[in-house]
Amino acid sequence: AQSVSQHNHHVILSEAASLELGCNYSYGGTVNLFWYVQYPGQHLQLLLKYFSGDPLVKGIKGFEAEFIKSKFSFNLRKPSVQWSDTAEYFCAVNNAGGTSYGKLTFGQGTILTVHP
Amino acid sequence: DGGITQSPKYLFRKEGQNVTLSCEQNLNHDAMYWYRQDPGQGLRLIYYSQIVNDFQKGDIAEGYSVSREKKESFPLTVTSAQKNPTAFYLCASSGTGQGYGYTFGSGTRLTVV
Repeated sequence: AQSVSQHNHHVILSEAASLELGCNYSYGGTVNLFWYVQYPGQHLQLLLKYFSGDPLVKGIKGFEAEFIKSKFSFNLRKPSVQWSDTAEYFCAVNNAGGTSYGKLTFGQGTILTVHP
Repeated sequence: DGGITQSPKYLFRKEGQNVTLSCEQNLNHDAMYWYRQDPGQGLRLIYYSQIVNDFQKGDIAEGYSVSREKKESFPLTVTSAQKNPTAFYLCASSGTGQGYGYTFGSGTRLTVV
């Protein structure tokens, strides 16, 4: 079975600090990888996704993530965070082939708090 | 605008009662999903459906039931057998081809009183 692990439950930063949120997954086959964000009071939105090709993926709002297959990792990064980045971030994975494709397995989530 | 509508936004239920959460999408997506979100546990899959009149159990299906009579609709019933039903429930949909992402609804917060 697939599993996703996010390293930090709560990260607190000051504005302009750099961000890296860890995500590791456990699955032996080919996967698609996602980062979703949930701003306070809003629904989940897709930040970025990796299906194939360049392992460095750029998403919305200056976020990027790097897929390192050998480490089963898909860490999210942003060079300089803003107060408006305060949200909960979820890493997710699904099977890129086979009958179970489409089902997303989520990590536990990381709450990011950015102080002005 | 295309999207997913979940209703109601807040729902209160007495212990021992069944309650049904609504999820409707106008995205023409084949697949629909129900997740439960609890603090510190991320989102866990309850049920999913990839075509009309067919659905499969997810990781935490016990105490829940679903139906998929129409492509647009995927209601979730939380039964009295669900031991800890107070949670935030999210519905999602996606295309079933390779590379489709999910679209999420705004959620229903269920509280058992």
